[in-house]
Amino acid sequence: KAGVTQTPRYLIKTRGQQVTLSCSPISGHRSVSWYQQTPGQGLQFLFEYFSETQRNKGNFPGRFSGRQFSNSRSEMNVSTLELGDSALYLCASSLALAGANEQFFGPGTRLTVL
Amino acid sequence: GENVEQHPSTLSVQEGDSAVIKCTYSDSASNYFPWYKQELGKGPQLIIDIRSNVGEKKDQRIAVTLNKTAKHFSLHITETQPEDSAVYFCAASIGGSARQLTFGSGTQLTVLP
Repeated sequence: KAGVTQTPRYLIKTRGQQVTLSCSPISGHRSVSWYQQTPGQGLQFLFEYFSETQRNKGNFPGRFSGRQFSNSRSEMNVSTLELGDSALYLCASSLALAGANEQFFGPGTRLTVL
Repeated sequence: GENVEQHPSTLSVQEGDSAVIKCTYSDSASNYFPWYKQELGKGPQLIIDIRSNVGEKKDQRIAVTLNKTAKHFSLHITETQPEDSAVYFCAASIGGSARQLTFGSGTQLTVLP
């Protein structure tokens, strides 16, 4: 079974631009969560999507948004990029059934903002 | 919200020795506690998890213990090998429909040959 895939793996943008990252969950998984990983703040939850609806949201500004498609694939968007948005963005998928909370991570997208 | 503290931040052990990493959490509603291993350039890999109705869980050389009263849980790796060298993260979640994980700050484990 294929794991979680994320594209692109690396991205370089300049301040003020916007970026879209993509995540394909494990086949059959219905929940996709996004996390930001930085050396200073560690791993922080951004948001979770389930059945095309945002179910939970972390403490990030409105510049960070996402969506989920009917095939469970998800995208996240960051608008008006700031230097501090440089990070590894990780996507995790879950079956999201009762008692099955396991989340499996993809390799991440390394975003550098210049 | 939930807060997870993890210690130590770095840990060096000799090959064959045991390693123990400890975490505490603040929200008594948390009931799911996974551990992840992250190697350089890769995403976190789930290595073991435990739910609040269980006190201990073992998988070969890896074990996790949970003390709900004290709100702490620990990862134990026995007979360490150089390939165990990585950053380890603990996490906590309320579970159910609130699947978001709150992570500890990570432990850099180095196994010296």
